[in-house]
Amino acid sequence: AQSVTQLGSHVSVSEGALVLLRCNYSSSVPPYLFWYVQYPNQGLQLLLKYTTGATLVKGINGFEAEFKKSETSFHLTKPSAHMSDAAEYFCAVSRSGSARQLTFGSGTQLTVLP
Amino acid sequence: NAGVTQTPKFRILKIGQSMTLQCTQDMNHNYMYWYRQDPGMGLKLIYYSVGAGITDKGEVPNGYNVSRSTTEDFPLRLELAAPSQTSVYFCASTSKERWGDPNEKLFFGSGTQLSVL
Repeated sequence: AQSVTQLGSHVSVSEGALVLLRCNYSSSVPPYLFWYVQYPNQGLQLLLKYTTGATLVKGINGFEAEFKKSETSFHLTKPSAHMSDAAEYFCAVSRSGSARQLTFGSGTQLTVLP
Repeated sequence: NAGVTQTPKFRILKIGQSMTLQCTQDMNHNYMYWYRQDPGMGLKLIYYSVGAGITDKGEVPNGYNVSRSTTEDFPLRLELAAPSQTSVYFCASTSKERWGDPNEKLFFGSGTQLSVL
């Protein structure tokens, strides 16, 4: 079985501040981990993913995430928030790297304050 | 440059009515998926297809049917709509079932917002 927990359904940051969105997972085997972003009235877009190898993963739009096996975490960060980062962010896990076995978290709505 | 196209974008149904949500992709992807997204929840897989003529159930298939007669199209059918089917529906596609390459990913449509009243 696998599951994803996103801590904080709503996060607000000031423009220029650090963005930190938290994700913890459970998986019986080494997981594939993903972060997706959803802008209003749009479908999900892949920000980044971890499969194997380097535990620090860099994605699009300046985001990155670090896979920490000991903490079963995959937190998403960005050093400096921009107004255009306001969106909903979903963490997801797949124990086999298979799309049919993707489990999504419940999402974190990021608000960026001017 | 269309990607994954879903129609309609919005629809209101009465209880007991039926409808088909359309999904088409122009990337020649074999693998296609239907998800539903309920408020405050992550996406849940309804049905998926690994190629024309082959479909299978996901996590929440009850009340839905699918077909895949061509590579491009993967329609989702709701029979006897119920209020519990009020949700946002997303179609997605990918070229490979398992993602080893960093560039492999799911491509999502922009969604269909369905209300059943």
